[in-house]
Amino acid sequence: GAVVSQHPSRVICKSGTSVKIECRSLDFQATTMFWYRQFPKQSLMLMATSNEGSKATYEQGVEKDKFLINHASLTLSTLTVTSAHPEDSSFYICSAREGQSEQYFGPGTRLTVT
Amino acid sequence: DAKTTQPPSMDCAEGRAANLPCNHSTISGNEYVYWYRQIHSQGPQYIIHGLKNNETNEMASLIITEDRKSSTLILPHATLRDTAVYYCIVPPAGNEKLTFGTGTRLTIIP
Repeated sequence: GAVVSQHPSRVICKSGTSVKIECRSLDFQATTMFWYRQFPKQSLMLMATSNEGSKATYEQGVEKDKFLINHASLTLSTLTVTSAHPEDSSFYICSAREGQSEQYFGPGTRLTVT
Repeated sequence: DAKTTQPPSMDCAEGRAANLPCNHSTISGNEYVYWYRQIHSQGPQYIIHGLKNNETNEMASLIITEDRKSSTLILPHATLRDTAVYYCIVPPAGNEKLTFGTGTRLTIIP
């Protein structure tokens, strides 16, 4: 149980385009989902927290207009990187939790912006 | 946040018990200790968590000292697949956010 999936696992896009990453909880209802970013040789950094049906709460320094988060259902959250640039290339990881349970993480999406 | 301190790296022989320490001397009475691990190029994996009592599950055991200022994660019979970065995290009570430090890079030696 407690499986979280992400799609795609790997994406390459051109500078200036937008890319959407999906995060799904497969066997539980994710009342809260989190989005992290991890640069090479660094630890995970929390970008934003989203509760189903509510606007996401962004961490300091994360541009909400650039990283659009939608958590429209209890099993799906999406992260859209708008007008992507090479510096947005990173490993994006989502996690989900049901109520006050522990967080379960997706496998990650590696984004490369050329 | 209760800050955690972990050694940057450790080696362990395959088949032996891996004991990973974590200091969290500023932990508050109602804050839990969580352990996650991240295998290279994958998302973190939940291992175990505890408050006061020692905990055991199919993956590991968590030993928390009586004063709760430190804990040890024990992988009883380490395998090569246990090579990963292990994170000890103490989120503030009532705060759902996990703050990942640098963790301990555990290498299992054949």
